[in-house]
Amino acid sequence: KQEVTQIPAALSVPEGENLVLNCSFTDSAIYNLQWFRQDPGKGLTSLLLIQSSQREQTSGRLNASLDKSSGRSTLYIAASQPGDSATYLCAVSSSGNKLVFGAGTILRVKS
Amino acid sequence: NAGVTQTPKFQVLKTGQSMTLQCAQDMNHEYMSWYRQDPGMGLRLIHYSVGAGITDQGEVPNGYNVSRSTTEDFPLRLLSAAPSQTSVYFCASRSHNTGNTEAFFGQGTRLTVV
Repeated sequence: KQEVTQIPAALSVPEGENLVLNCSFTDSAIYNLQWFRQDPGKGLTSLLLIQSSQREQTSGRLNASLDKSSGRSTLYIAASQPGDSATYLCAVSSSGNKLVFGAGTILRVKS
Repeated sequence: NAGVTQTPKFQVLKTGQSMTLQCAQDMNHEYMSWYRQDPGMGLRLIHYSVGAGITDQGEVPNGYNVSRSTTEDFPLRLLSAAPSQTSVYFCASRSHNTGNTEAFFGQGTRLTVV
């Protein structure tokens, strides 16, 4: 059974810092990995999708990497801003078309 | 640009009542699914569908029913609401059945069962 773990559970950083969020998964047989952002009381917004054949994806200040063999992904946020404060969720798509989610990392960027 | 639309946004039910959570997508996606989100537990899959007329159970299906009569709609029915079903419910859709595409989520339905 696929299990996804996100570390840390919560993170507080001053504005301007670069930061890394971690995601690990137990079964390396995945189709893709997706990072989402969730604001309080809101739905999930897709940030980056990495296919199993890819090593990384970039969008603006966000960079996500994937090491399928070791079951790890990282989300790198450059020059963090207070507007980046949210919960970040990692999800892997594997057998049966199912998305398995981690519990998320709550990020707070202090101004 | 509707994407995935869920209704209602908020609902309070009494124990034993039934209701239907609506989900509609306008992207012609084959794959649709329902998740519930509980504090500290991430999102867990309730039911999913790979196309009209085809549904299957996810990780936590008990107490819920689904049907898929059209490509666009995937309603979730609570048969007899229980306090343990208090949660935030999300509907998602994705094109293609191989799991190789991006998933899109609705804004969620916050359900409280008293």
